Amino acid sequence: ETGVTQTPRHLVMGMTNKKSLKCEQHLGHNAMYWYKQSAKKPLELMFVYSLEERVENNSVPSRFSPECPNSSHLFLHLHTLQPEDSALYLCASSQDWTDPSTDTQYFGPGTRLTVL
Amino acid sequence: AQSVTQLDSHVSVSEGTPVLLRCNYSSSYSPSLFWYVQHPNKGLQLLLKYTSAATLVKGINGFEAEFKKSETSFHLTKPSAHMSDAAEYFCVVSDNSNGGSQGNLIFGKGTKLSVKP
Repeated sequence: ETGVTQTPRHLVMGMTNKKSLKCEQHLGHNAMYWYKQSAKKPLELMFVYSLEERVENNSVPSRFSPECPNSSHLFLHLHTLQPEDSALYLCASSQDWTDPSTDTQYFGPGTRLTVL
Repeated sequence: AQSVTQLDSHVSVSEGTPVLLRCNYSSSYSPSLFWYVQHPNKGLQLLLKYTSAATLVKGINGFEAEFKKSETSFHLTKPSAHMSDAAEYFCVVSDNSNGGSQGNLIFGKGTKLSVKP
């Protein structure tokens, strides 16, 4: 177990639905990340939070809205998604967001999202 | 800008034979390099990382990788494959373009390793 949990593990939603993905880390880390993993494409960084402040937004459409209420929890709120948003959404955490050579990222198992 | 290329999308080996997963990187700075493994329905797990110390890096489960600056390569090897090694492997380079002040990782497309009995 990596100490990072994600719920739900699978989600099917229509384009007009609103849903949320949840991530929780039990490692005492200060930084949390959302990644998108699509078939046949490299993992894409979406958002980075450090000490509950958003420090990176990688040109992600506004239909994806992150929230970090505290350093242990990270949410991804979804609304009016498109079928091309179907993917595996991975959450990760690391001790800090300063130097990846020393701050290993630990990943959760992901949420498999299907948009109909 | 940093980038990473995994030369094989799929590698198949027999159990007990060596494993070689190839990775080439492009970086204007001294890179940090990683290999992650993803088993089906699981998150990514760090296998090993290179951070400008020893060029031969040993990781978990008997894997190791050698940083070769002259070849801009960071290939992953294991002397003897086990059935449990079947998974997808990702080569990753860190984005140190701001002098290490960013934690962004750049992932390769992945190599799926199959192990035949």
